[in-house]
Amino acid sequence: EPEVTQTPSHQVTQMGQEVILRCVPISNHLYFYWYRQILGQKVEFLVSFYNNEISEKSEIFDDQFSVERPDGSNFTLKIRSTKLEDSAMYFCARTTTTFTNYGYTFGSGTRLTVV
Amino acid sequence: EDKVVQSPLSLVVHEGDTVTLNCSYEVTNFRSLLWYKQEKKAPTFLFMLTSSGIEKKSGRLSSILDKKELFSILNITATQTGDSAVYLCAVNRDYKYIFGTGTRLKVLA
Repeated sequence: EPEVTQTPSHQVTQMGQEVILRCVPISNHLYFYWYRQILGQKVEFLVSFYNNEISEKSEIFDDQFSVERPDGSNFTLKIRSTKLEDSAMYFCARTTTTFTNYGYTFGSGTRLTVV
Repeated sequence: EDKVVQSPLSLVVHEGDTVTLNCSYEVTNFRSLLWYKQEKKAPTFLFMLTSSGIEKKSGRLSSILDKKELFSILNITATQTGDSAVYLCAVNRDYKYIFGTGTRLKVLA
């Protein structure tokens, strides 16, 4: 399956700053997800997005987080005011249908470091 | 509360050994169980299991699911140093994944 590109690959930001992480899936992708992985910990679900709406979000995904697909292709995760504990790898994932024999395809990830 | 538990947490073996990684789960609305290999960055897909008792194989890797006892195993035979990675088990619940903490496998030459 085609790759899912994420940009930037690494971002360092000051605490309190806003960051936008981008995912560039293929245009026929319908279902998008964001996951994060704090260093040394498990991969955690943040949010799922279908038909330009959030379909489910976890308790981690609080008011500081938002997602959108503004131009019909890029899928973005915005953190409004970053905290030290937001430092993690952020993975975008996508599927073309609700059920696939191959699970998600994960993007290459963005390492966010909040200082 | 949904949970996915993997064991062991870490494992060190020598090349040529066979390893068995375990994943047990308690998840409502179970749809499938997936195994991923994570080396440096993004997890890469290994297997997706939906039915009990049907082994999936890919080269030296194989996996099976037991939906009655709520667990899965991942076997790797004739391990190689390139198998060194974190192996993640994830359960698909309503199209979101619940991940285990992973098993860190190190294969020594």
